[in-house]
Amino acid sequence: KAGVTQTPRYLIKTRGQQVTLSCSPISGHRSVSWYQQTPGQGLQFLFEYFSETQRNKGNFPGRFSGRQFSNSRSEMNVSTLELGDSALYLCASSFPPNEQFFGPGTRLTVL
Amino acid sequence: GENVEQHPSTLSVQEGDSAVIKCTYSDSASNYFPWYKQELGKRPQLIIDIRSNVGEKKDQRIAVTLNKTAKHFSLHITETQPEDSAVYFCAASGSGDDKIIFGKGTRLHILP
Repeated sequence: KAGVTQTPRYLIKTRGQQVTLSCSPISGHRSVSWYQQTPGQGLQFLFEYFSETQRNKGNFPGRFSGRQFSNSRSEMNVSTLELGDSALYLCASSFPPNEQFFGPGTRLTVL
Repeated sequence: GENVEQHPSTLSVQEGDSAVIKCTYSDSASNYFPWYKQELGKRPQLIIDIRSNVGEKKDQRIAVTLNKTAKHFSLHITETQPEDSAVYFCAASGSGDDKIIFGKGTRLHILP
């Protein structure tokens, strides 16, 4: 089985812009979770989607949003980028619940 | 909401010695506790997990213990090797969904 894939792998944006990141889960996995990883803060939970519905949400501002499509692929969007949004964004997929498999991440740099 | 505390943030042990990383969680409804290893520049990978109906689980040199009463769980690595050098994350999850809350990680250095 192919693993979790994320595109793009690297992204450079400027403050105020918006960005869309994509995640393709392992075939058959229906749950996709997104995490922000920064040095010192570890892995912070953004949100989780299951069957096209947001099932859980972390403590991030409304500028962070996401969605899931019928084929389980997921996107996350960050609007009005700030310097502090620079991070590695990881998605993870699972089926059955709990054991999550991570993608390689998208490294976002905001200038 | 769920909060997971992890200690220490950095740990250095001599090759061949044991390493212990400790975590506490706040939500008594949590019932799944995975541990992930992240090597430099790579994605986190599950190394062992434990569910709340079990007190201890072993897999070769790695073991995890869970104390539900104290809401405390630990990772034990014995006979450490250079390839054990990485960042380790503990996590906790409740029932019925995949919201997993991670600790802030422990950077483990294996000294030659």
